[in-house]
Amino acid sequence: DVKVTQSSRYLVKRTGEKVFLECVQDMDHENMFWYRQDPGLGLRLIYFSYDVKMKEKGDIPEGYSVSREKKERFSLILESASTNQTSMYLCASSSRQGHMNTEAFFGQGTRLTVV
Amino acid sequence: EDKVVQSPLSLVVHEGDTVTLNCSYEVTNFRSLLWYKQEKKAPTFLFMLTSSGIEKKSGRLSSILDKKELFSILNITATQTGDSAIYLCAVYLRGTGNQFYFGTGTSLTVIP
Repeated sequence: DVKVTQSSRYLVKRTGEKVFLECVQDMDHENMFWYRQDPGLGLRLIYFSYDVKMKEKGDIPEGYSVSREKKERFSLILESASTNQTSMYLCASSSRQGHMNTEAFFGQGTRLTVV
Repeated sequence: EDKVVQSPLSLVVHEGDTVTLNCSYEVTNFRSLLWYKQEKKAPTFLFMLTSSGIEKKSGRLSSILDKKELFSILNITATQTGDSAIYLCAVYLRGTGNQFYFGTGTSLTVIP
């Protein structure tokens, strides 16, 4: 069975803390994504990566950075957490199949609260 | 700017009702359109649509794509309380990284 695992379901951090959200997939997928999900705004892409050490900004990268040192792991970093980063964070992965279509497989989500 | 719009934003129906959820899109490099269901956890895949006019069906759920008018609908017949969820529409784009671009979602509540 396909699996995308996020390191925490719930996280509470203080303003100004450095926060690491980890995501691991076991499907040998090339593409990995970080989204945040807020009511009324849907899923918004923060960063994605299409290969090891490669990263591309999504629609809302400000205040975030990412790391992809190994193919199976994609980390989202909040350098200095702020209250407006309180949200649900979803990691996803997909294969890069050339002309074939593919779907995104999601982790269970991390609900981050910054106080 | 790529855009995916879902309507309605939320919907409350009674068990047994039929619902239609809408997704329209304006994107460059369209490859496919996907529907997901999200309960209180990870979104789960429902359908992938690539060709106009071909209905995809799974039990009481069905979906169709119109690539000329740039929209898709998701129908749920004989709704049950277990259908209560957020339904997400996403467009899969060609290009570097092969991005998925999501709409805001429709929150469906089915009351007994």
